[in-house]
Amino acid sequence: QQQVKQSPQSLIVQKGGISIINCAYENTAFDYFPWYQQFPGKGPALLIAIRPDVSEKKEGRFTISFNKSAKQFSLHIMDSQPGDSATYFCAASIGSNAGKSTFGDGTTLTVKP
Amino acid sequence: DVKVTQSSRYLVKRTGEKVFLECVQDMDHENMFWYRQDPGLGLRLIYFSYDVKMKEKGDIPEGYSVSREKKERFSLILESASTNQTSMYLCATLGTGYRQPQHFGDGTRLSIL
Repeated sequence: QQQVKQSPQSLIVQKGGISIINCAYENTAFDYFPWYQQFPGKGPALLIAIRPDVSEKKEGRFTISFNKSAKQFSLHIMDSQPGDSATYFCAASIGSNAGKSTFGDGTTLTVKP
Repeated sequence: DVKVTQSSRYLVKRTGEKVFLECVQDMDHENMFWYRQDPGLGLRLIYFSYDVKMKEKGDIPEGYSVSREKKERFSLILESASTNQTSMYLCATLGTGYRQPQHFGDGTRLSIL
């Protein structure tokens, strides 16, 4: 049973456009929701994270929107750039549990110049 | 900055061989993980370890084992490699503390011929 569903699987956006990636989770005990960015040949790296008592978090051009009642969260990339082309993973975990995170299947973003 | 080093970027082995993938971290993190990454399947947890000599099965442990004799080193072992184990393998670490992200190595691309 997949606990975090991520969509779309791939996304193509023009330079300057807005990229939106969505995730939905099932386990209401999750209380930490990071997004990871992975460039080709590299491992995933933390991009931005949110906790469920916050509805939005913004870092530069990257924003997480969080809807606790719908059990959904999304990543918005404003003014998308070719350098943003990468694979993005959402994840969810229980913050006090040093064990597993549950990852979405990933979204491959291509930003065309 | 956390550094997670995977000993090989690319590895080619033959069916039936015993294969060792090594991961070393320099940040004294208690928790270490092994994932495999396949297109469209995201990150799937193979094993994780929360302390020296301690290990727990992840979602897909069949055909794999692990070893953690020292805190900084976590090894993944393919007991008898098969072609369906051809994949990208990622090591990650996680410190203690609430709501921490995982830190990933750059991966080992393993081909089993």
